[in-house]
Amino acid sequence: AQSVTQLDSQVPVFEEAPVELRCNYSSSVSVYLFWYVQYPNQGLQLLLKYLSGSTLVKGINGFEAEFNKSQTSFHLRKPSVHISDTAEYFCAVSRNSGNTPLVFGKGTRLSVIA
Amino acid sequence: SAVISQKPSRDICQRGTSLTIQCQVDSQVTMMFWYRQQPGQSLTLIATANQGSEATYESGFVIDKFPISRPNLTFSTLTVSNMSPEDSSIYLCSVEGADTLDYGYTFGSGTRLTVV
Repeated sequence: AQSVTQLDSQVPVFEEAPVELRCNYSSSVSVYLFWYVQYPNQGLQLLLKYLSGSTLVKGINGFEAEFNKSQTSFHLRKPSVHISDTAEYFCAVSRNSGNTPLVFGKGTRLSVIA
Repeated sequence: SAVISQKPSRDICQRGTSLTIQCQVDSQVTMMFWYRQQPGQSLTLIATANQGSEATYESGFVIDKFPISRPNLTFSTLTVSNMSPEDSSIYLCSVEGADTLDYGYTFGSGTRLTVV
């Protein structure tokens, strides 16, 4: 079975500062990796995903993530955050064989401070 | 990618009653997944529904409490039975999809359930 650990439950950061949200996964098989964002009282929005190929993945809103197989990590980064980035961020994993559900981490609350 | 219509979007229910949530997908899919998001928490998988067979439930979830139907390849329902305030959550369905250009998951808009 797959599992995801998001190492930080809350990350406060000042506006225009860089941020990294950490995600580690566990799996005995090859995986797909995803980052989702959830704004207050809203649904999930896909930020980016890693399926194969280049380990550096660029997503929406200036976010990027790097897949590191040896460290089983998929950390999310943004070089300069905005107040509007304040939200809950979820890392998720699935087997790459198809017909499998996403398994979510517990989430990281990003708070951007003016 | 697939489009999911989930209803109801929200409901307030009395304890001891049941609520059935519906998800309709605009294309045929093999598996449908049901999740629960408790207040301030992440998404937890309840069960996987495969057409023509009984749903597969995750640890901590049982069929008597969360019966699921999957009558065809585009539709599924989740019932929350004998509700208590602890069942107050957002419930979401999801499907996995792949087309010639991309692969990913689509989520319904969620059902926000409040049990009083």
